[in-house]
Amino acid sequence: QVQLVQSGAEVKKPGSSVKVSCKASGGTFSSFPINWVRQAPGQGLEWMGRIIPILDIANYAQKFQGRVTITADKSTSTAYLELSSLRSEDTALYYCARTTSRSFDIWGQGTMVTVS
Amino acid sequence: QSVLTQPPSASGTPGQRVTISCSGSSSNIGSNPVSWYQQLPGTAPKLLIYTDNQRPSGVPDRFSGSKSGTSVSLAISGLQSEDEADYYCASWDDSLNAVVFGGGTKLTVL
Repeated sequence: QVQLVQSGAEVKKPGSSVKVSCKASGGTFSSFPINWVRQAPGQGLEWMGRIIPILDIANYAQKFQGRVTITADKSTSTAYLELSSLRSEDTALYYCARTTSRSFDIWGQGTMVTVS
Repeated sequence: QSVLTQPPSASGTPGQRVTISCSGSSSNIGSNPVSWYQQLPGTAPKLLIYTDNQRPSGVPDRFSGSKSGTSVSLAISGLQSEDEADYYCASWDDSLNAVVFGGGTKLTVL
């Protein structure tokens, strides 16, 4: 069974960048889209974008265009989310999640990013 | 403000049947499949329903999904204390070219 394991918590200064990783183990990585979803404290879920590793094609929610980059390294079965020009409103739990059947069937454990 | 609209809260007593609604538009629910997620406190979301009404293996048949036009519903029958969680609906939006979520419904088991 595929598992997604994310990197550890980060504390960043406003205006800086953060890069979060999501490593897949136990199954096929390249064939399925990997998404990034964030959740601000006490708030709901917000989709940021996704990548299809086998095609190396990413697309992003309009809200984050120009500030977010999603990449994938097929050799290590790892997807990355990089968010730049951080502000306090970016403080959130960041999840990676795999897409199958037009849904997110497997989720990472989440990475807390604090901007302060 | 979320693109998909859910009630912020719902409640029921053990054994009861509870329904959570999620409404959208022709560009999302009306033309794309919907999924539902359960988020227990302090944990990552878990897929409950996909393609409007399909249950992944391991999800009890107490959970069911339905769709009508631009609205969907999640029904939980035989409510249990461990069902107390936040529930989210999600769908692709053709106009936004993005996945959109409902704002979430906090289910309390009284």
